[in-house]
Amino acid sequence: DTAVSQTPKYLVTQMGNDKSIKCEQNLGHDTMYWYKQDSKKFLKIMFSYNNKELIINETVPNRFSPKSPDKAHLNLHINSLELGDSAVYFCASSLQGARGNTIYFGEGSWLTVV
Amino acid sequence: QQQVKQSPQSLIVQKGGISIINCAYENTAFDYFPWYQQFPGKGPALLIAIRPDVSEKKEGRFTISFNKSAKQFSLHIMDSQPGDSATYFCAAVTGTYKYIFGTGTRLKVLA
Repeated sequence: DTAVSQTPKYLVTQMGNDKSIKCEQNLGHDTMYWYKQDSKKFLKIMFSYNNKELIINETVPNRFSPKSPDKAHLNLHINSLELGDSAVYFCASSLQGARGNTIYFGEGSWLTVV
Repeated sequence: QQQVKQSPQSLIVQKGGISIINCAYENTAFDYFPWYQQFPGKGPALLIAIRPDVSEKKEGRFTISFNKSAKQFSLHIMDSQPGDSATYFCAAVTGTYKYIFGTGTRLKVLA
């Protein structure tokens, strides 16, 4: 059983399109995250939710909108995609917050905007 | 102040050698320091972690050394193996929710 699963794994789309990435965790964790990894491998937090409540929004353009229907799911919707949005997006979860807790990452969603 | 500086950017080590990756931070509010390992095409996974009240933690071939006064910590991989070839990220945690990752080190262990 995959602990943190995200779909789709690969996504190629044109500039200006809107796309969504779905994420689910079956670990019973309270906290979920979206991270962006660029071509240089830099890992940057985008959003953090705790029990469906937005905790961290790291100055991400408002074209990115996370949605947490319940604490096991955190989806990411991106409007008006731009070339610079091409990256790997990782969903992750932790028990309750980050301090002292392991963050479990999904396998990533590889987004290419052409 | 929220940055974690990681070096080197890439590292090539012979099989059986010692791999050393260093990280430095400024913010003294950081109080949890994990290392993550990422294989190509996969998400990062926790390797080992340390709290600032301990100067060293060892798990198998992996050791974290922590120098609180210098605000530095490092990962040592003893007897490095080709299977250790991956990207390694140090991180520091402040507050309840915020992980700050280093910039990553691509390690290649030659057979």
